[in-house]
Amino acid sequence: DGGITQSPKYLFRKEGQNVTLSCEQNLNHDAMYWYRQDPGQGLRLIYYSQIVNDFQKGDIAEGYSVSREKKESFPLTVTSAQKNPTAFYLCASSILGLGETQYFGPGTRLLVL
Amino acid sequence: AQTVTQSQPEMSVQEAETVTLSCTYDTSESNYYLFWYKQPPSRQMILVIRQEAYKQQNATENRFSVNFQKAAKSFSLKISDPQLGDTAMYFCAFIIQGAQKLVFGQGTRLTINP
Repeated sequence: DGGITQSPKYLFRKEGQNVTLSCEQNLNHDAMYWYRQDPGQGLRLIYYSQIVNDFQKGDIAEGYSVSREKKESFPLTVTSAQKNPTAFYLCASSILGLGETQYFGPGTRLLVL
Repeated sequence: AQTVTQSQPEMSVQEAETVTLSCTYDTSESNYYLFWYKQPPSRQMILVIRQEAYKQQNATENRFSVNFQKAAKSFSLKISDPQLGDTAMYFCAFIIQGAQKLVFGQGTRLTINP
């Protein structure tokens, strides 16, 4: 089955700790994205990548970092600099083009202890 | 600024009762793409329907159709014969041609009652 997987489903972070959220896709999509969703709100873009070894900041990149070493994988690290990390994180991917549809993974819920 | 406004935070209808969700957006660009996504209780975002702004014909996808009014910057979603499984948050979004960021509205929580 082709699709996007995210792990873990739930993640707990202690104060001062960095945590990494995994996102993998087997759709052969070039572009991948990370969005954050807060309660009662739409999604906001954190980072995106159109090609391996290259990525761009979105609207709310502070306190986050990413890497794109493989086409299939786009992990997101929530660093200790992110003061309000509690949210639902969604990964998406798309083919490159003009307004191509972004397909989403099942998400990771991050909670701060 | 590029924004999306969904003026109905919550809606509740009976099964089989056609429902329309409103969406307006703001952009100075002329080439863009519009989407409706649904987010059921599982929280996965699922594409419902997509519309190219350069197309005058309204997109349809089975029981889902849109009313796209480009001049008014309006993009409403009509669900015909809604079923219990259509209960979800519905998000309107758009992306500028060549850009990478989807701009989302705040969502409409739709409940379909038996």
